[in-house]
Amino acid sequence: QVLLQQWGAGLLKPSETLSLTCAVSGGSLSNHYWTWIRQSPGKGLERIGEIDHSGRTRFNPSLSSRVSLSVDTSKNQFSLRMTSVTAADTGVYYCARSSSWLLNWLDPWGPGTQVTVSS
Amino acid sequence: QSALTQPRSVSGSPGQSVNISCAGSSSDVGAYIYVSWYQQHPGKAPKLMVYDVTKRPSGVPDRFSGSKSGNTASLTVSGLQAEDEADYYCCSYTGSSVVFGGGTKLTVL
Repeated sequence: QVLLQQWGAGLLKPSETLSLTCAVSGGSLSNHYWTWIRQSPGKGLERIGEIDHSGRTRFNPSLSSRVSLSVDTSKNQFSLRMTSVTAADTGVYYCARSSSWLLNWLDPWGPGTQVTVSS
Repeated sequence: QSALTQPRSVSGSPGQSVNISCAGSSSDVGAYIYVSWYQQHPGKAPKLMVYDVTKRPSGVPDRFSGSKSGNTASLTVSGLQAEDEADYYCCSYTGSSVVFGGGTKLTVL
């Protein structure tokens, strides 16, 4: 059974950089796509981007200028970095697995990390 | 890309069936079979319930079923149980990304 565990700083000031990491246990990074989704009261669920085991990435165009993803196959982990955060970036951030770039299913999901941006 | 449209809330008594609709467009729900549904209990991560319109992952009860007609997808929950009370979100591939619905709160009376 694949499980995802995530961590990262939960309280940021405007203009700081958000960094989250998701560790995969019970399976390999290969043959799947690893995505970041965020959830906020204002925007609901929103796709951020995804990465595969070789490091190929795709991003939500609305966030692509501030977002980068990376993968560490030796640790079975992948990471999200978002620069210049504002209050609009406040929300719960989830990592999840998909079978393809289509994101036709997302399973499992990590437990989520509450990120709050406030001065 | 606009969010998919779901009713804010639905309700039903134990044992009854409820239907949750997800209205999209000819660019998302109407164009692809890649519609999925997620259940989310308070404070928890979403859980995959249905994918590719009608498929259920292993472990999801067959009380949960999905369908699609035109630009609208639906999730039906039959034989309602107390533990089905949760928020439900639909999701559709758009050709280059995915878009989610705003969520529906299912209350078991």
